[in-house]
Amino acid sequence: KQEVTQIPAALSVPEGENLVLNCSFTDSAIYNLQWFRQDPGKGLTSLLLIQSSQREQTSGRLNASLDKSSGRSTLYIAASQPGDSATYLCAFLGSGTYKYIFGTGTRLKVLA
Amino acid sequence: EPEVTQTPSHQVTQMGQEVILRCVPISNHLYFYWYRQILGQKVEFLVSFYNNEISEKSEIFDDQFSVERPDGSNFTLKIRSTKLEDSAMYFCASSGNMETGGNYGYTFGSGTRLTVV
Repeated sequence: KQEVTQIPAALSVPEGENLVLNCSFTDSAIYNLQWFRQDPGKGLTSLLLIQSSQREQTSGRLNASLDKSSGRSTLYIAASQPGDSATYLCAFLGSGTYKYIFGTGTRLKVLA
Repeated sequence: EPEVTQTPSHQVTQMGQEVILRCVPISNHLYFYWYRQILGQKVEFLVSFYNNEISEKSEIFDDQFSVERPDGSNFTLKIRSTKLEDSAMYFCASSGNMETGGNYGYTFGSGTRLTVV
């Protein structure tokens, strides 16, 4: 059964720090992996999508990498800001399926 | 940027009542999904829908649940007889496009918070 684990569960940092959020998955037959942001009580905002053939994707201060052999993805946030405070979720889509498996998320707080 | 629209944003219902949650997916998407998130827990897959039929469903999606695409734009989730444990945020999503037919990343709606009392 596919498991998606995110470490750390929570993170509190001062503004300006560079951050790394980790996501690991057990099934190497990946189709793609998506990183989402969720604000409290709100919906899911897609940040980055990495296809299985890609190693990384970048959008602004965000960079996501994918290492299929080790079953890991990382989300790198450069120069963090208080507005980055949210829960970050990774979601794994395996080959031959329609459903994303979500991790439990990393709750990030960036202090001004 | 195209959006997935969900209505209502919040619904309160009495236990045993039927509820219908509504979604308008992105217009040229082919695949439609419902997920739910119980407060403080993971986002969980319920069902996927493609070509007017269910393509995959989870163990959660039992006989109390049904989905329908009644016209060319709406996608609904019906819960026949709600239970307290159905209280959750329900997310609709869509993916893919008509040109490529691929199952790419999802676009999620902002969710409907269902409270069963």
